[in-house]
Amino acid sequence: GAGVSQTPSNKVTEKGKYVELRCDPISGHTALYWYRQSLGQGPEFLIYFQGTGAADDSGLPNDRFFAVRPEGSVSTLKIQRTERGDSAVYLCASSPDAGELFFGEGSRLTVL
Amino acid sequence: GNSVTQMEGPVTLSEEAFLTINCTYTATGYPSLFWYVQYPGEGLQLLLKATKADDKGSNKGFEATYRKETTSFHLEKGSVQVSDSAVYFCALTKGTGGFKTIFGAGTRLFVKA
Repeated sequence: GAGVSQTPSNKVTEKGKYVELRCDPISGHTALYWYRQSLGQGPEFLIYFQGTGAADDSGLPNDRFFAVRPEGSVSTLKIQRTERGDSAVYLCASSPDAGELFFGEGSRLTVL
Repeated sequence: GNSVTQMEGPVTLSEEAFLTINCTYTATGYPSLFWYVQYPGEGLQLLLKATKADDKGSNKGFEATYRKETTSFHLEKGSVQVSDSAVYFCALTKGTGGFKTIFGAGTRLFVKA
């Protein structure tokens, strides 16, 4: 596709469950970002990849959160032992040069 | 650390009114500055940017000037339209060994016909 694709668009899970969110960036974009956005707030940085490696993971809130990008394209954000406070919209963005970000429409996670 | 502060919303204006949304930043060195916009039901998209001091970014009638002396990047438009109703986010990119983009909390704009 032409833009950043995120799946699923909506995910409802129960407290304590494991969740994976997928991001398919724009072809050729080397930089990939994950953000979390709560209602009425701006995007909160989680992690940034340059190619396959995490260049900056300082925004991951704790060790329940992990992200991978094994082939330098698709990325998966993994959340273990989900908590109600993890409920938010998870945004993925890609960039050809770590300047302008191109965002997907987000994955809305609800933890019951 | 780096941070972005923008005026709280919502901002409600009548069509053709003048718009200013204030944004100030804290960063070491020389960040690049951005305004992103999120229209209802859509993802965030870049509105305009400026990469060095005194640069003016512009797009769709919106403008913002990178003011290093006041660490500001205020968004302006001379005559807003109903279709400009959206949430506007100020952001900066600055990093050593990386390019982490930091966003402000967003300002919701409502434009009435």
